[in-house]
Amino acid sequence: QKEVEQNSGPLSVPEGAIASLNCTYSDRVSQSFFWYRQYSGKSPELIMSIYSNGDKEDGRFTAQLNKASQYVSLLIRDSQPSDSATYLCAAGRDGQNFVFGPGTRLSVLP
Amino acid sequence: DAGITQSPRHKVTETGTPVTLRCHQTENHRYMYWYRQDPGHGLRLIHYSYGVKDTDKGEVSDGYSVSRSKTEDFLLTLESATSSQTSVYFCAISLEGGGTGDGYTFGSGTRLTVV
Repeated sequence: QKEVEQNSGPLSVPEGAIASLNCTYSDRVSQSFFWYRQYSGKSPELIMSIYSNGDKEDGRFTAQLNKASQYVSLLIRDSQPSDSATYLCAAGRDGQNFVFGPGTRLSVLP
Repeated sequence: DAGITQSPRHKVTETGTPVTLRCHQTENHRYMYWYRQDPGHGLRLIHYSYGVKDTDKGEVSDGYSVSRSKTEDFLLTLESATSSQTSVYFCAISLEGGGTGDGYTFGSGTRLTVV
């Protein structure tokens, strides 16, 4: 069974620090990886996608992928209290039917 | 932005009754999904559709059925609701970026309580 694992947290970081969120996946054939942010009581929203090994940067967010280690991470620089949310990692083979991890709850402390 | 709406937003129903949740999209996306989200389990796929009248089961499909008679509508039916089906249900559409995909857009969710 394909699985995506994440530490449930909560991960607490002070405002302005770097938050590092990690994810591992079991399906070696996975090609597509996504990070979603979900505020309490809201639906998940897509914040990053990554398909190739290495880093991908978008503003304060950097996604990192290491297919050999089956590992995906999300770095949030200059963390803000508004970044406090649950972050979901998802992986998939062919652009559809992604498997989601349980999410990591991030708390950014003012 | 992809237009995707779910209805109802909240529902309380009694054990043993059938319940239908609706997902409506306005942008002609081919793939649509139903997930449930529970504490400790994350998002789990119930059913998905890859076209009109084309559906398939996900990992937690028991007790659920779906229908897609039009591209824009994907219905999820709980045939006889049980307390274990109390959950938040999300519909999603695929942004379809080819072989690797562009991820999903989610609806606002339906909070279902079975008493």
